[in-house]
Amino acid sequence: EAEVAQSPRYKITEKSQAVAFWCDPISGHATLYWYRQILGQGPELLVQFQDESVVDDSQLPKDRFSAERLKGVDSTLKIQPAELGDSAMYLCATTIFAGDTDTQYFGPGTRLTVL
Amino acid sequence: AQSVTQPDIHITVSEGASLELRCNYSYGATPYLFWYVQSPGQGLQLLLKYFSGDTLVQGIKGFEAEFKRSQSSFNLRKPSVHWSDAAEYFCAVGRNKLVFGAGTILRVKS
Repeated sequence: EAEVAQSPRYKITEKSQAVAFWCDPISGHATLYWYRQILGQGPELLVQFQDESVVDDSQLPKDRFSAERLKGVDSTLKIQPAELGDSAMYLCATTIFAGDTDTQYFGPGTRLTVL
Repeated sequence: AQSVTQPDIHITVSEGASLELRCNYSYGATPYLFWYVQSPGQGLQLLLKYFSGDTLVQGIKGFEAEFKRSQSSFNLRKPSVHWSDAAEYFCAVGRNKLVFGAGTILRVKS
């Protein structure tokens, strides 16, 4: 069973429109991450939550991106307005304690295409 | 600063042949190291991880990796590749925040 659910799986939008992505770490894990993966590159952390609090958003472009996790369960990542360079895979991950260490498990991702 | 280098962008191997994917890291403390695999359009699946103890770690799907502190490396190996192993492989380092390499695309020839 997948530990992390994400929707939508695919999103096509036009430049300057607003988009939103949703993530639910199904088992209610406290830590949640959003990563952005540009085609041909590895994922890069955008924001990290511990429960409902932001732990690290140093790489989040705050002029257009926002993230929230109001009840410390599911999370929404928003982009407004979208730009062509935002086309990427957006991955959500949660941390599970397994084998004596925390390990990040990823959802299936949302593929965003900005036209 | 933490960083991960995967020197090979693409690797092609014949089915049944052995495989080694290279990973070099830079990290200020004892590293937590991971290998993930990603099929096209999918999320990342954890193959294996190292945080302490035996430097040779076993993972899923017959993969293993060896941590070599003196070389700052964590190379992934498989003795016999299957066509279904074709995917992109990412090495990562970190504890909370993961830093990923750029990935290595594995192609398998039949």
